[in-house]
Amino acid sequence: GQSLEQPSEVTAVEGAIVQINCTYQTSGFYGLSWYQQHDGGAPTFLSYNALDGLEETGRFSSFLSRSDSYGYLLLQELQMKDSASYFCAVSNDYKLSFGAGTTVTVRA
Amino acid sequence: NAGVTQTPKFRILKIGQSMTLQCAQDMNHNYMYWYRQDPGMGLKLIYYSVGAGITDKGEVPNGYNVSRSTTEDFPLRLELAAPSQTSVYFCASSLGTDNSPLHFGNGTRLTVT
Repeated sequence: GQSLEQPSEVTAVEGAIVQINCTYQTSGFYGLSWYQQHDGGAPTFLSYNALDGLEETGRFSSFLSRSDSYGYLLLQELQMKDSASYFCAVSNDYKLSFGAGTTVTVRA
Repeated sequence: NAGVTQTPKFRILKIGQSMTLQCAQDMNHNYMYWYRQDPGMGLKLIYYSVGAGITDKGEVPNGYNVSRSTTEDFPLRLELAAPSQTSVYFCASSLGTDNSPLHFGNGTRLTVT
């Protein structure tokens, strides 16, 4: 089976940088994804890492270390609209298993 | 392009009733999924399908059934609703390669009382 650990909550001020860590245990591993979900909304895709290293997409970056079974999502220049839940997910044989999510609250 | 469309948006069921949650996608995706999300929790995979006529169980399939007669549609059936099935249900689709993202519908909020 799969298990994923990520912090439950993070609070930061506008303009700050937030790092959300994710550690995973899985019987098979193809890659680590990150999804954003605003309150009452559907999850939306942010990033995918299959290889070790950093992937940058605008203000968001995602990192993966396969040897450490660890990844993180970096949110830079935080804006109020970044207040949401962020889920890491491991892909295994075309199925995604999700972590419990990290609620990010951005304060003015 | 509508993407993934789920109906209904909300539903209240009495214990023991049955219902079908509808899901349709217009992106010609082979892979489709049903997840449930309980308050403050992540998404749990109920069933998935890799193409028309093929379905398989996920992590939490008990109490549910699915069918996939066409590429576009992937309905989820609850036969005997129980309070434990109170949740938000999300349908998703993807191209099926490991780096292809899941596209989610807007969800169905189900309450069983």
